[in-house]
Amino acid sequence: GAVVSQHPSRVICKSGTSVKIECRSLDFQATTMFWYRQFPKQSLMLMATSNEGSKATYEQGVEKDKFLINHASLTLSTLTVTSAHPEDSSFYICSAVAGYNEQFFGPGTRLTVL
Amino acid sequence: AQKITQTQPGMFVQEKEAVTLDCTYDTSDPSYGLFWYKQPSSGEMIFLIYQGSYDQQNATEGRYSLNFQKARKSANLVISASQLGDSAMYFCAIAPSFGNEKLTFGTGTRLTIIP
Repeated sequence: GAVVSQHPSRVICKSGTSVKIECRSLDFQATTMFWYRQFPKQSLMLMATSNEGSKATYEQGVEKDKFLINHASLTLSTLTVTSAHPEDSSFYICSAVAGYNEQFFGPGTRLTVL
Repeated sequence: AQKITQTQPGMFVQEKEAVTLDCTYDTSDPSYGLFWYKQPSSGEMIFLIYQGSYDQQNATEGRYSLNFQKARKSANLVISASQLGDSAMYFCAIAPSFGNEKLTFGTGTRLTIIP
């Protein structure tokens, strides 16, 4: 199947700093990517839909000024957590749409904000 | 809006036995897709199986089969001949039509296979 990578896999940062997470589709082009967040022992919750060349669509309750999404190319979407705080500590997972019926997930990024 | 309900927070099954993980859904969309994913402790989401709402036959993928009962709005996952490597979290999910749209996940079931 298609491969989606995320970088970094783990990141620890101080409160107030910004963190950028990259999501790449390695062997296919993805016009649409999704960003999910998963708190410990909870389910995945969709944060936003990232479309190449246009603004991201955020789910209700997700602050678009805090979670900046840029889908600059057909193989790369980035999520920047601005002014991170401990409550932003979570597991962030992206997925990329490969075709009509296929969505592939990245391995996830574990963010810890001290 | 779409919703997935998984009522089994945890299950313990003897190795080599079959196991059924429950999933019920609610949606007002005329067509939709149902998915099952496996999440091991490493965190990656592994796609297992897909069922389209208009598919006449239940989906099967190797040891995985999906027991789709549209009238009951259920999409249970059946794993045959369970293996130790099957121990993981399992999530049921729904998309408005096909897999290229945003997924709504259930709360998951933690499956533990006992040797």
